[in-house]
Amino acid sequence: QVQLQESGPGLVKPSGTLSLTCAVSGGSISGTNWWSWVRQPPGKGLEYIGEIYHSGSTNYNPSLKSRVTISVDKSKNQFSLNLNSVTAADTAVYYCAANGYYCIEHWGQGTLVTVSS
Amino acid sequence: IVLTQSPGTLSLSPGERATLSCRASQSVSSTYLSWYQQKHGQAPRLLIYGTYNRASGIPDRFSGSGSGTDFTLTISRLEPEDFAVYYCQHYGSSLYTFGQGTKLEIK
Repeated sequence: QVQLQESGPGLVKPSGTLSLTCAVSGGSISGTNWWSWVRQPPGKGLEYIGEIYHSGSTNYNPSLKSRVTISVDKSKNQFSLNLNSVTAADTAVYYCAANGYYCIEHWGQGTLVTVSS
Repeated sequence: IVLTQSPGTLSLSPGERATLSCRASQSVSSTYLSWYQQKHGQAPRLLIYGTYNRASGIPDRFSGSGSGTDFTLTISRLEPEDFAVYYCQHYGSSLYTFGQGTKLEIK
């Protein structure tokens, strides 16, 4: 079974860039899955950020598209999220995930990122 | 597409039947509708995909149904571990959209 683990800074300054990496184990990032990022502000619901295929093809949530970049590193079996120009509204638990059949099948444990000076 | 879940909070006792609703703002294919369970402090867990299909390891007390704009997650007999927040999700135009969630709490 695929396992995912997020890593990155837990604190980012306003106007800075949020950068997270997701390490994939138990499966190859070059397989048939798409790979996603989803976030959840404290006490609120789930928001899809975007997804990537091992070829580098991406899809982004239109509401975040201007600030988001998702990339893949096949040599390290991992993928990454960059979100620039962050504000307090970007404070959330960020999940990386493996997509299934039009769903999100496997989730990482999540990592809290706080935007604050 | 906007997904609206109801009720916002559902208070039931173990052993009772739970019925959770998800309404889409326009008709969607049943292929693209899924349900997740999220317990406090944990990542979401896939329960149902394609409206009807249970994910691996999901007990058969969980079932999904619906079509068009109205979809339902049913838990036939509530176990103590089922009290959590439940989200529906739609995939369309390369975008995943989630409902706002239903909190299932112990009465």
